[in-house]
Amino acid sequence: EVQLLESGGGLVQPGGSLRLSCAASGFTFSSYAMSWVRQPPGKGLEWVSSISGSGASTYYADSVKGRFIFSRDNSNNTLYLQMNSLRAEDTAIYYCAKVRSGEAAAAANYWGQGTLVTVSS
Amino acid sequence: DIQMTQSPSSLSASVGDRVTITCRASQGISNYLAWYQQKPGKIPKLLIYAASTLQSGVPSRFSGSGSGTDFTLTIDSLQPEDVAAYYCQRYNTAPFTFGPGTKVDVK
Repeated sequence: EVQLLESGGGLVQPGGSLRLSCAASGFTFSSYAMSWVRQPPGKGLEWVSSISGSGASTYYADSVKGRFIFSRDNSNNTLYLQMNSLRAEDTAIYYCAKVRSGEAAAAANYWGQGTLVTVSS
Repeated sequence: DIQMTQSPSSLSASVGDRVTITCRASQGISNYLAWYQQKPGKIPKLLIYAASTLQSGVPSRFSGSGSGTDFTLTIDSLQPEDVAAYYCQRYNTAPFTFGPGTKVDVK
């Protein structure tokens, strides 16, 4: 059974940093690309970033480019989203999602339960 | 970047009705389109990928069609458990943009 467990969310001041993690199990982790998708309270889904199965390729939304870094540890089946220079508009539930392919250009067929990030003073 | 729009933004229909949601890309994306369902308070669920391929376990009353710039999600016979927000997402090239969503309610 595929399981994705996010952690690391919380309250952070504007300009601060936070690192999210996503522990994956139930599938051959390195064979699949992964994504982060966020959802501000009461609003729609926003794609944030994706990484290929090997970790060699990463992609970012313009809204987070230069501030967020997406990485993966294929030896420990874990994803990391380092979020720097946080802004109020980054407040959202952050979901990690497994993609159907080793390359990022595919749909997400499994989603974690999400972790809430609140950026506020 | 390629923009995604959806229409309508919300709809209310009766149980048993056929419901159609439209998603439009500002440029052609071939069939690199997915549809997701998000029920209130729940996580998103993949319904359809490659524009028309039903994800395993999804009821057959859901179907997708289209290619290029215009896509549709159809629910053949709306059920009470279909109350949800529905999102399209393109994944031909990054950024893998979602549409703004369509909220479906049952009368």
